[in-house]
Amino acid sequence: EPEVTQTPSHQVTQMGQEVILRCVPISNHLYFYWYRQILGQKVEFLVSFYNNEISEKSEIFDDQFSVERPDGSNFTLKIRSTKLEDSAMYFCASSDGLAVEQYFGPGTRLTVT
Amino acid sequence: QKEVEQNSGPLSVPEGAIASLNCTYSDRGSQSFFWYRQYSGKSPELIMSIYSNGDKEDGRFTAQLNKASQYVSLLIRDSQPSDSATYLCAVNGVTGGGNKLTFGTGTQLKVEL
Repeated sequence: EPEVTQTPSHQVTQMGQEVILRCVPISNHLYFYWYRQILGQKVEFLVSFYNNEISEKSEIFDDQFSVERPDGSNFTLKIRSTKLEDSAMYFCASSDGLAVEQYFGPGTRLTVT
Repeated sequence: QKEVEQNSGPLSVPEGAIASLNCTYSDRGSQSFFWYRQYSGKSPELIMSIYSNGDKEDGRFTAQLNKASQYVSLLIRDSQPSDSATYLCAVNGVTGGGNKLTFGTGTQLKVEL
């Protein structure tokens, strides 16, 4: 069964450093998403991406964040200068249409020290 | 602010019983509704989707939607200890093109032997 994959599973970084989180969405899906979940809190939407551009972003997704589809399979989330409050699980998801099922990857645990 | 509300629980049921999980949402224009299961430290796993009023059954799971009351529920029949997890209600709205899932805080379910 096709699934979303993410690397790395755990990333530790120092405050102010740049990190890139990587995702490989399900191969025939066209819509890609990033969500995050701070420990003990709800899953929060960050950004959606379609046809090589951002289609929607949340207030959390400020200028420190960017997304890219560098090739036909990868989808990345970059945080330019990490803050302590960026520590969270980051989930990539994909779907084959709008307002339909989104399938989540296993997540990357980001720890900012 | 579009909200999705769930009772955080824990909801404890004996093995073999029916577990009933509830969710309300504030955006009357919401189009699609999902239940995800999340084990501790893992990513959300899609278990049910529902798009129109009424009931939808899949194995031991039944999702119910009432758009007039802005209410979604999930019934789990013959509950098993492996069903013990946090159940997340997620709603996909109309604003922003229907990309974004808004999650509730989740209901923790404990199935006791």
